[in-house]
Amino acid sequence: QKEVEQNSGPLSVPEGAIASLNCTYSDRGSQSFFWYRQYSGKSPELIMFIYSNGDKEDGRFTAQLNKASQYVSLLIRDSQPSDSATYLCAVNGRAGNQFYFGTGTSLTVIP
Amino acid sequence: EAGVTQSPTHLIKTRGQQATLRCSPISGHTSVYWYQQALGLGLQFLLWYDEGEERNRGNFPPRFSGRQFPNYSSELNVNALELEDSALYLCASSFSGNNEQFFGPGTRLTVL
Repeated sequence: QKEVEQNSGPLSVPEGAIASLNCTYSDRGSQSFFWYRQYSGKSPELIMFIYSNGDKEDGRFTAQLNKASQYVSLLIRDSQPSDSATYLCAVNGRAGNQFYFGTGTSLTVIP
Repeated sequence: EAGVTQSPTHLIKTRGQQATLRCSPISGHTSVYWYQQALGLGLQFLLWYDEGEERNRGNFPPRFSGRQFPNYSSELNVNALELEDSALYLCASSFSGNNEQFFGPGTRLTVL
């Protein structure tokens, strides 16, 4: 079982819609959860992090964490074509600052 | 504030050679992480350095090694290069004990 699993997509949404990206993780001891955006040919860019159960909002982005279900998600409201990228979920394993990354979900926002 | 920098941008080597990749963290960051991103695959954790010490390493053979210098910059060395080592190598940095990692632009290593 992989430490972090994401649906690889591709996920296509029309401009202005809500994009929903999901991630599950296997280590119940994980404490920190991150979402990175990676444009083609570029390095990952941190967009959200969440440590506590519930929702965390930052502009058009909302991260949701449910530790009981070992599930973390990212919602992008009012999706823009510039949001088209691969979104990587990362989880900090209990063994100290060893990040596990999912393989990413490719998002395309259609104008 | 300058971000994480990496050099070189591209590196072409042949099988059996050694490659050295370099990373300078964000000012004030003492932790440096190395990742391998092969084409079509996710990021694979390689190494974590903090305060000059290797703190953790991923599931890679010993020919992947590195070090961190007193100024917190870091080097990744890959010995006895194999074709499957061709990948984007990413360096990230963070404050010690902090989980928020910021990535550099990467070094594209091609092994012929």
